[in-house]
Amino acid sequence: AQSVSQHNHHVILSEAASLELGCNYSYGGTVNLFWYVQYPGQHLQLLLKYFSGDPLVKGIKGFEAEFIKSKFSFNLRKPSVQWSDTAEYFCAVTSDTGRRALTFGSGTRLQVQP
Amino acid sequence: SQTIHQWPATLVQPVGSPLSLECTVEGTSNPNLYWYRQAAGRGLQLLFYSVGIGQISSEVPQNLSASRPQDRQFILSSKKLLLSDSGFYLCAWSVRTSGGRTLPYFGPGTRLTVT
Repeated sequence: AQSVSQHNHHVILSEAASLELGCNYSYGGTVNLFWYVQYPGQHLQLLLKYFSGDPLVKGIKGFEAEFIKSKFSFNLRKPSVQWSDTAEYFCAVTSDTGRRALTFGSGTRLQVQP
Repeated sequence: SQTIHQWPATLVQPVGSPLSLECTVEGTSNPNLYWYRQAAGRGLQLLFYSVGIGQISSEVPQNLSASRPQDRQFILSSKKLLLSDSGFYLCAWSVRTSGGRTLPYFGPGTRLTVT
């Protein structure tokens, strides 16, 4: 069975600080990896996704993530956060076989202070 | 283009009352459909998924049920709501890309408060 771990539950940063949110997954087969963001009062939005190819993927709003297969990790990064990045971030994984449902991590609440 | 509709957007129901949340998708056929729940302060948990009409799989034991009466319609129900059923309910569907990969899409969600 798939599982996803997000180790940082609540992160507080000042504007312009760099961000890295950890995500590790557990699955033996080929996976698709996603980061979603949920801004206060809004629904889930896809930040970026990894299917195959270049392990460094770029998403919207200056976010990027690196897939490291040997570490089963897919960490999210942003060089300089803004107050508007305050939100909850979810890492998720799905496979291309079986139910193809997303398995989510528990989420990381990011608070950016101006 | 593919679109997913969910209604209602918000719902306040008393304990013991029934529930029916509806989700419909457009722009695709024979999608996999999913119901997720996000409880306050927690991540998203898969409740049900369906690979076809009348085919429902439950992921966790609970007070809820799901049905898929039509290819692009997915309904979440309860006969008697519990306080613990409060949360944010998301409908989702997945498609296969041209490369055979799985890409999920989410609806706008329904915020359910059981009082």
